[in-house]
Amino acid sequence: GDSVTQMEGPVTLSEEAFLTINCTYTATGYPSLFWYVQYPGEGLQLLLKATKADDKGSNKGFEATYRKETTSFHLEKGSVQVSDSAVYFCGLHDRGSTLGRLYFGRGTQLTVWP
Amino acid sequence: DVKVTQSSRYLVKRTGEKVFLECVQDMDHENMFWYRQDPGLGLRLIYFSYDVKMKEKGDIPEGYSVSREKKERFSLILESASTNQTSMYLCASRDNPRTANQPQHFGDGTRLSIL
Repeated sequence: GDSVTQMEGPVTLSEEAFLTINCTYTATGYPSLFWYVQYPGEGLQLLLKATKADDKGSNKGFEATYRKETTSFHLEKGSVQVSDSAVYFCGLHDRGSTLGRLYFGRGTQLTVWP
Repeated sequence: DVKVTQSSRYLVKRTGEKVFLECVQDMDHENMFWYRQDPGLGLRLIYFSYDVKMKEKGDIPEGYSVSREKKERFSLILESASTNQTSMYLCASRDNPRTANQPQHFGDGTRLSIL
């Protein structure tokens, strides 16, 4: 079945450090991939997405590349800010699904210190 | 912008009560979802719907039911609330269940406490 595995947190970084959050997936079909972010006290917001192999999604300085050969979609940012402190979720939608369900990882808590 | 509105941000109920959580979306989306979020467990899907009056069980449906009488509204029902249902509940909607590149849009959540 479909599933997503994220690196476990929490991740703690100093401001301007480089960020990587690993995400790998298992899918029966050919999925679209997503990263969501959840700021304290809020629901999840779409951060970026990629719909086919070798696509790179990017937004707010974050980026992730859809790697079919390694079934991965790692999130990266070159220089994090305190305002990036949040929980990050990796997700997938299987193109073979007609019901619309997305599968999420467990989330990774990021804390950035000034 | 898509707006997903959950009826309450905070709710306190008593054990054994029947509890209704309401969610409304304003973009004519076909898909709607209910999740619960607990520390260390991430998001867990309770139920989802892909059309009016259509529903599918998620990963943890026990103790819950849902209702989707109108396209814009998806209700989560705790038939007899228990303390282990204390959690953050998140509603989401999505445009077309048959397209792969549509994201989900989330409400701000309802923090439910069962005493």
